Amino acid sequence: EVQLVESGGGLVKPGGSLRLSCAASGFTFSNAWMSWVRQAPGKGLEWVGRIKSKIDGGTTDYAAPVKGRFTISRDDSKNTLYLQMNSLKNEDAAVYYCTTMTFGPTGIYFDYWGQGTLVTVSS
Amino acid sequence: DIQMTQSPSSLSASVGDRVTITCRASQSISSYLNWYQQKPGKAPKLLIYAASRLQSGVPSRFSGSGSGTDFTLTISSLQPENFATYYCQQSYSTPYTFGQGTKLEIK
Repeated sequence: EVQLVESGGGLVKPGGSLRLSCAASGFTFSNAWMSWVRQAPGKGLEWVGRIKSKIDGGTTDYAAPVKGRFTISRDDSKNTLYLQMNSLKNEDAAVYYCTTMTFGPTGIYFDYWGQGTLVTVSS
Repeated sequence: DIQMTQSPSSLSASVGDRVTITCRASQSISSYLNWYQQKPGKAPKLLIYAASRLQSGVPSRFSGSGSGTDFTLTISSLQPENFATYYCQQSYSTPYTFGQGTKLEIK
């Protein structure tokens, strides 16, 4: 059974930093492309960024609002995905979900999701 | 960036009704379109991928259609557990973008 368990959320002041983790199990994590998706309170879903598997280059891609401030990384030996968030702003407050990315006949889809971890940005 | 627009934003319906939600892309995305269901306090759940392919385990009363810029999600006969918020998402190019959501409520 695929499981994704996020952790690391909490209260942080504007300008602060936080690192989220996503522990994966039930699939071959090293082969997986992974994404982070967030959801501000009462709002819709927003893709944050993704990391390819190392065999596919291990490169990252980010949404414009977080580019230069957030960094996605992975530790395949620990089956863990990370999201390092720096220079946090009020508008970064959200539930952050990690997701698996699967390739279908047309494009990718997010098929497994964690339960989410809440990040609150407030002074 | 590709903008995704859903309509309506909210919808009231009764158990047994047939419901259709529309998603429009700001440019052609072929069939690079997925649909998700989200219930309050829960993570989204994949329903449909590649515009019309039913994810494993999803009931057949859910169906998707469309290509290019216009897509629909149809629920043929609403069940109590289907009252939720539905999102479309394009995977044609990054940044992957979602529609704003359609909240389906009980009439």
